[in-house]
Amino acid sequence: QSVLTQPPSVSAAPGQKVTVSCSGTSSNIGNNYISWYQHLPGTAPKLLIYENNKRPSGIPDRFSGSKSGTSGTLGITGLQTGDEADYYCGTWDSSLSAGVFGGGTKLTVL
Amino acid sequence: EVQLVESGGGLVQPGGSLRLSCAASGFTFSNYWMSWVRQAPGKGLEWVANIRQDGSQKYYVGSVKGRCTISRDNAKNSVYLQMNSLRADDTAVYYCAREGYNFGNFDQWGQGTLVTVSS
Repeated sequence: QSVLTQPPSVSAAPGQKVTVSCSGTSSNIGNNYISWYQHLPGTAPKLLIYENNKRPSGIPDRFSGSKSGTSGTLGITGLQTGDEADYYCGTWDSSLSAGVFGGGTKLTVL
Repeated sequence: EVQLVESGGGLVQPGGSLRLSCAASGFTFSNYWMSWVRQAPGKGLEWVANIRQDGSQKYYVGSVKGRCTISRDNAKNSVYLQMNSLRADDTAVYYCAREGYNFGNFDQWGQGTLVTVSS
């Protein structure tokens, strides 16, 4: 059971928009930054969003992040078939003194 | 170019030990916290441990406390994970990751090394 809660799967058509939610508590999301990662099987995870809503260099602005209270959201617009992957939220949990991730959300582009 | 290259994975019997290594290049290694993150077959990402720049602070996920030790050698630009008393549920791909922008954020990842615990 993951500390952060994500939906197991989301889907949308090419060109459409999708959001992925991530729910936590005051000891993790509520008082720390959220990050989002894209993971394709057999490859290294890639950082998409850091500090709730910032994009590293090279990440297109189709990817966005937001945070409110103890929850965060990843948004992806202009969906492409290449976006099919597993997406994870992550942060630090101050009570556990440990890094924590969501269970992952599988994105299907129909 | 930042590179993190893991090694040391393999097949080990339950109760056995393994030492994973991660060689870093392309950045000033001694400036960063470093972490190990794993993914068991069919499961999600799980943070395992991290270590401060000078090695003076270390944190572990509860399931590996007392069985695993993270360490680093800044002269060799390397971070290690010594795993003892291995169990079947330690079977996973182990990733080395650099903690970048803030605590618990991983901005660079290696390709991973597979650890299989089985008799």
